[in-house]
Amino acid sequence: GQNIDQPTEMTATEGAIVQINCTYQTSGFNGLFWYQQHAGEAPTFLSYNVLDGLEEKGRFSSFLSRSKGYSYLLLKELQMKDSASYLCASDNTDKLIFGTGTRLQVFP
Amino acid sequence: ETGVTQTPRHLVMGMTNKKSLKCEQHLGHNAMYWYKQSAKKPLELMFVYNFKEQTENNSVPSRFSPECPNSSHLFLHLHTLQPEDSALYLCASSQTAGGSYNEQFFGPGTRLTVL
Repeated sequence: GQNIDQPTEMTATEGAIVQINCTYQTSGFNGLFWYQQHAGEAPTFLSYNVLDGLEEKGRFSSFLSRSKGYSYLLLKELQMKDSASYLCASDNTDKLIFGTGTRLQVFP
Repeated sequence: ETGVTQTPRHLVMGMTNKKSLKCEQHLGHNAMYWYKQSAKKPLELMFVYNFKEQTENNSVPSRFSPECPNSSHLFLHLHTLQPEDSALYLCASSQTAGGSYNEQFFGPGTRLTVL
């Protein structure tokens, strides 16, 4: 079956580092997307991993292990504006399959 | 701004009403999507259109009727909805559907409340 798991909620402190994990069990897997969604707004693209390993993009990094069906999004030097939902999505041949999203709250 | 617009942003309707949601993309994409987003649930894919042809209907009840007159516009016609249909309805577009790395660009959504 198609299954994406990620934590429902996380909290962290401004300036800290947080890691949001995502595990997936999907057929026809091509890659893994991470999207950010602020309340009441559209999801926006953060990253896409095809190959195993870590990809860094400023304060955000994303990791993929295809053999383990595992990904994480790493957010460094957290800022208040990083409070949002983070959606993990498996890129299958003809569609994206989303997890429930992880709601991250950053406190001062 | 993602290049995908949706109207209306908010909609309240009774179970006997008929209404339509509109989506427009200004990105030159050929694929468009409707998703339903409910609290604490994954984004649910409803419909996919690729080059104006419907390629996916994810077992959506017939009270939801999509229409794609051209690659830039997508509608979702609603009639005799149920209260459990209350949700955020998101439209998205991508270069094409199928293949890999189809980054999807999302609109801001229509918050629908069915009374």
